[in-house]
Amino acid sequence: TQLLEQSPQFLSIQEGENLTVYCNSSSVFSSLQWYRQEPGEGPVLLVTVVTGGEVKKLKRLTFQFGDARKDSSLHITAAQTGDTGLYLCAGSGTYKYIFGTGTRLKVLA
Amino acid sequence: GAGVSQSPSNKVTEKGKDVELRCDPISGHTALYWYRQSLGQGLEFLIYFQGNSAPDKSGLPSDRFSAERTGGSVSTLTIQRTQQEDSAVYLCASSPAGDGANVLTFGAGSRLTVL
Repeated sequence: TQLLEQSPQFLSIQEGENLTVYCNSSSVFSSLQWYRQEPGEGPVLLVTVVTGGEVKKLKRLTFQFGDARKDSSLHITAAQTGDTGLYLCAGSGTYKYIFGTGTRLKVLA
Repeated sequence: GAGVSQSPSNKVTEKGKDVELRCDPISGHTALYWYRQSLGQGLEFLIYFQGNSAPDKSGLPSDRFSAERTGGSVSTLTIQRTQQEDSAVYLCASSPAGDGANVLTFGAGSRLTVL
């Protein structure tokens, strides 16, 4: 069974601080996606990484895919209250998307 | 439609009753997924449709759960004889093709509460 473990599970920080969320697995994935989910809504895609070692930036968010395509990280610089939400990584193979356990981020003003 | 629509948005039922949850995917999306999310945690895969076929239903928790898709469009997830542990948010997502590299577009979910 493929599992994706995220850490930390919960994170509460002050506005302006930096943070990193990790997504780890013992399985290799052909691609990995990061989603953000807000209360009462479905997850929304932030980024897809497909190449081992790939780094993608989305404004203050930096995503990295591990060289072996088993893990990924999400780094947020100078967090803002609007970054608050549940962050989910999802690894995919041929058709199935396996979601991580989630990291709930709260950014305090 | 413009997005993925799910209904009902909220359902409260008594233990032992049957429930049906509906998903209307984005027009033209051939792949459709059902996931279950408990207590704001990660998503648990339930079933995958490609067109009207379900090549992977390995995530359905028990034989009380079933799903179908008709016309390559609308899907219905049915839970028979509901139990309290079935309480969760049931999320539906669609994508243009089930090749693992596409964007999943999710609906807002159906929150099921079993009393």
